[in-house]
Amino acid sequence: DQQVKQNSPSLSVQEGRISILNCDYTNSMFDYFLWYKKYPAEGPTFLISISSIKDKNEDGRFTVFLNKSAKHLSLHIVPSQPGDSAVYFCAASDGNNRLAFGKGNQVVVIP
Amino acid sequence: DVKVTQSSRYLVKRTGEKVFLECVQDMDHENMFWYRQDPGLGLRLIYFSYDVKMKEKGDIPEGYSVSREKKERFSLILESASTNQTSMYLCASSSGRSPYEQYFGPGTRLTVT
Repeated sequence: DQQVKQNSPSLSVQEGRISILNCDYTNSMFDYFLWYKKYPAEGPTFLISISSIKDKNEDGRFTVFLNKSAKHLSLHIVPSQPGDSAVYFCAASDGNNRLAFGKGNQVVVIP
Repeated sequence: DVKVTQSSRYLVKRTGEKVFLECVQDMDHENMFWYRQDPGLGLRLIYFSYDVKMKEKGDIPEGYSVSREKKERFSLILESASTNQTSMYLCASSSGRSPYEQYFGPGTRLTVT
């Protein structure tokens, strides 16, 4: 059973606007969460992470929010740029060095 | 800059063939991983390794084996390839200090006919 769930498989957004990607998880033992970005024909690259002791982490245009009680996290990209067009994977770990990945969200930023 | 390389970008094999996928990382990372990526299924962990000669099963190890004889190299072996193993295979590595931040190779698109 999928422990990390990403619904709404694709998102289209106008350049300059905010992109919001959502992720839900079922395993209450998860204590570290990450977002990866993947371009076609390339491997995923690490984007941003958050520990369960925080509820927000910001890195430039990217902010991740964590709501532990709802078992929900989100990635905000603002402002969105055409180079942000990619597939975004949510991932989580329960401390055993392995990650559980969601199915991914395709983001298309329209110039 | 971490570099993870995979031996082939594209590979076509026949059903029943033994297939070797090689992965090399140059950052002295302790942890190495093999995933497969399929449309609508995301990344699924096949096998991983914490150290030389150590291996752990992931979520979908059936039909696969691995080998880690040297720290920098992690091989995925399909003992007898089947058409349902047609997929994108991704190798990743991470350090013991930052185990969750995995660095991925470019992937191998394997087609089994």
